[in-house]
Amino acid sequence: QKEVEQNSGPLSVPEGAIASLNCTYSDRVSQSFFWYRQYSGKSPELIMSIYSNGDKEDGRFTAQLNKASQYVSLLIRDSQPSDSATYLCAVLSGGATNKLIFGTGTLLAVQP
Amino acid sequence: EAQVTQNPRYLITVTGKKLTVTCSQNMNHEYMSWYRQDPGLGLRQIYYSMNVEVTDKGDVPEGYKVSRKEKRNFPLILESPSPNQTSLYFCASSLGTGTQPQHFGDGTRLSIL
Repeated sequence: QKEVEQNSGPLSVPEGAIASLNCTYSDRVSQSFFWYRQYSGKSPELIMSIYSNGDKEDGRFTAQLNKASQYVSLLIRDSQPSDSATYLCAVLSGGATNKLIFGTGTLLAVQP
Repeated sequence: EAQVTQNPRYLITVTGKKLTVTCSQNMNHEYMSWYRQDPGLGLRQIYYSMNVEVTDKGDVPEGYKVSRKEKRNFPLILESPSPNQTSLYFCASSLGTGTQPQHFGDGTRLSIL
């Protein structure tokens, strides 16, 4: 079982719709969760971090965390073509090593 | 501007010719790390450093070396590169351990012929 799992996509949504990206993780002691956006050939860019159960909103982005289900999600409201990218879920492993474990990413395509 | 700087951005070289990819951050971050990214495999950690003179192996350290003589610099050394090290490499840094997110450099695309 992979430590962080994401659907590779592509996830195709029309412009203006809500895009929902999902991620599950296996390490029950993980406490910190991140979403990175990566455009093709570019570096990962941090867009959201979440540390406690529930929702966290930042502009058009909402991260959701359910530690009991070991599930993290990212909602993008009013999706724009510029949101088309690969979204990487990252989980900070338990312990003091600060090791980030990444999923393989979900490719989002927003259709104009 | 706060940033992580990698050099070179692109490199094509031949098997066995030693190379170094430099990484420098100007944010006074304690933690630095190297990743490689390959299609279908995602980002995998090569080495990390929690502070000056403290380095440790990540998930795929074979064929790589690192050093951390100064807080700002964390070079990645390929002593005898092989074609299976052709990849996209990223350096990242964070303020410390725990909840701190990591910030990435722009990447180095290495091709080993």
